[in-house]
Amino acid sequence: RKEVEQDPGPFNVPEGATVAFNCTYSNSASQSFFWYRQDCRKEPKLLMSVYSSGNEDGRFTAQLNRASQYISLLIRDSKLSDSATYLCVVNDGSSTLGRLYFGRGTQLTVWP
Amino acid sequence: DAGVIQSPRHEVTEMGQEVTLRCKPISGHDYLFWYRQTMMRGLELLIYFNNNVPIDDSGMPEDRFSAKMPNASFSTLKIQPSEPRDSAVYFCASSPFRTGVDTQYFGPGTRLTVL
Repeated sequence: RKEVEQDPGPFNVPEGATVAFNCTYSNSASQSFFWYRQDCRKEPKLLMSVYSSGNEDGRFTAQLNRASQYISLLIRDSKLSDSATYLCVVNDGSSTLGRLYFGRGTQLTVWP
Repeated sequence: DAGVIQSPRHEVTEMGQEVTLRCKPISGHDYLFWYRQTMMRGLELLIYFNNNVPIDDSGMPEDRFSAKMPNASFSTLKIQPSEPRDSAVYFCASSPFRTGVDTQYFGPGTRLTVL
């Protein structure tokens, strides 16, 4: 079983739409959760951390459900520049000498 | 400040040749990671170092792969001999002590093609 599972998409939405991505993780000991963004032929970049209480950064809202081992990312008022692959990332329970597990990513295309 | 620097950016080689990928982490970062990304398998951790010491090399595919970090500002990933199935994008990433492995900054990657 993969440590992080994501719907690969693709999601194709018009500008201004609201879109949501989900992922599940298998390790109940995971303590840190993130969403990374990867543009085509570029490196992954940290988009935002995900906290238990849920957190918002502008048009982006991330939520965590520890009981269900489920993470979500909501993008409101989509822009053309949001087109990218979004990677769900969790650690293995240790920030010091652990590691991160990356999902395969969900591809988003925003069209005009 | 400069980010993570990788070289070369593109490498095309023939099967059986030795390939060396290079990485310079962000200055002051204590962790350095090597990843491989393919369409089939996504992003896979190969090995990572903490203070120049290898911590987890369980992702290194086989003996053909080796990684070194002789000092805090330089690391290499070597493939010898290379095979077509090694074709992928290889990313190096680094992170600071205060966040441990959690907040990683990626380099632009090396796109390797083995013919």
